[in-house]
Amino acid sequence: KNEVEQSPQNLTAQEGEFITINCSYSVGISALHWLQQHPGGGIVSLFMLSSGKKKHGRLIATINIQEKHSSLHITASHPRDSAVYICAVAMYSGGGADGLTFGKGTHLIIQP
Amino acid sequence: GAGVSQTPSNKVTEKGKYVELRCDPISGHTALYWYRQSLGQGPEFLIYFQGTGAADDSGLPNDRFFAVRPEGSVSTLKIQRTERGDSAVYLCASTGGSYNEQFFGPGTRLTVL
Repeated sequence: KNEVEQSPQNLTAQEGEFITINCSYSVGISALHWLQQHPGGGIVSLFMLSSGKKKHGRLIATINIQEKHSSLHITASHPRDSAVYICAVAMYSGGGADGLTFGKGTHLIIQP
Repeated sequence: GAGVSQTPSNKVTEKGKYVELRCDPISGHTALYWYRQSLGQGPEFLIYFQGTGAADDSGLPNDRFFAVRPEGSVSTLKIQRTERGDSAVYLCASTGGSYNEQFFGPGTRLTVL
């Protein structure tokens, strides 16, 4: 069973700050997902990556397969970025993708 | 287009009762996943369907939990003899292919009194 650890668990920052959330996992994977969950809301997929780096707007996700580590960065953070950010990993077998294994999430608050 | 939908959005029941939670995946998505998220925790995998069959049900906590997907689209998660510890948000996700991102529904918040 893969163990997924996220840090920090809670993060409060000021608007405009550069944010980094880290994720490490214990067993080799096929893909890693970064997800966003707003209070009382559903989960939205931000990125799915298996190598290198992806960028979407102010969000950047990187992964180092050898070190079993990924980071999610938010540039020029804004109060609307306040949410729980969840890292999840997937293993793919011959029949398709197994269910995701999730970290506990990082609760981010951006203050104006 | 329509995303993944789940009904009901909230369900309050008494200990010992039977409940059914429904998931409507995105049309054409072949894979469907059920997860459970307890307060303050990340989601946990319950069961995964590829088409009509359960490809992996290793996350179901015990035999009170059962899920079906008879026609390969809508899925129902069934919980018998509910216990207070079953209280959680039950999430459903679907994907169009083995290597694609998962699209999540809004979840069903189950409260067992």
